[in-house]
Amino acid sequence: SQQGEEDPQALSIQEGENATMNCSYKTSINNLQWYRQNSGRGLVHLILIRSNEREKHSGRLRVTLDTSKKSSSLLITASRAADTASYFCATDENGNKLVFGAGTILRVKS
Amino acid sequence: DAMVIQNPRYQVTQFGKPVTLSCSQTLNHNVMYWYQQKSSQAPKLLFHYYDKDFNNEADTPDNFQSRRPNTSFCFLDIRSPGLGDAAMYLCATRKSVLDTQYFGPGTRLTVL
Repeated sequence: SQQGEEDPQALSIQEGENATMNCSYKTSINNLQWYRQNSGRGLVHLILIRSNEREKHSGRLRVTLDTSKKSSSLLITASRAADTASYFCATDENGNKLVFGAGTILRVKS
Repeated sequence: DAMVIQNPRYQVTQFGKPVTLSCSQTLNHNVMYWYQQKSSQAPKLLFHYYDKDFNNEADTPDNFQSRRPNTSFCFLDIRSPGLGDAAMYLCATRKSVLDTQYFGPGTRLTVL
């Protein structure tokens, strides 16, 4: 079953602009992970944020987590054409498995 | 260096002809997962192993089986592939609960 729901489903921006993707989930979590997937390829791990963390940075990526609202956001700053991909959030429920959201398709136009 | 390796990257099989996909990992992780991903959809968990303990998702068809002969290897067997089983199959590993999950490059299965 899918827990994470992502918004928007698709996003098209110009190179250099910022891209923000949102993820909402339904139950309590241990952590939340963001992944990138280029067309026809495997998933690449971007950031893991734990339930007791509110914000995390990695290069041009910033992830926030609001457990009271059961939501997370991924911000990509100064986007590049190479950032074109699908982005998925995945929540780590109590147990041993991740549940993925439907994903956001990001297109960065050069 | 590749950490989660999947072979083959592309597999073509005929309707009803059994097929096996393989996954190996160099991370010595305890947990291994198999996901099915259809076009424009999220990965869907089929089953996972915590060490030798096998955990099947409730909605995974009986047509799908898995084996984990040792820590490094895990196999996905599709006993009688149907056209609806054409998808990308992703293997992933994790050291334990709360850790980062690492994915392999996937195997694209085509069923003729």
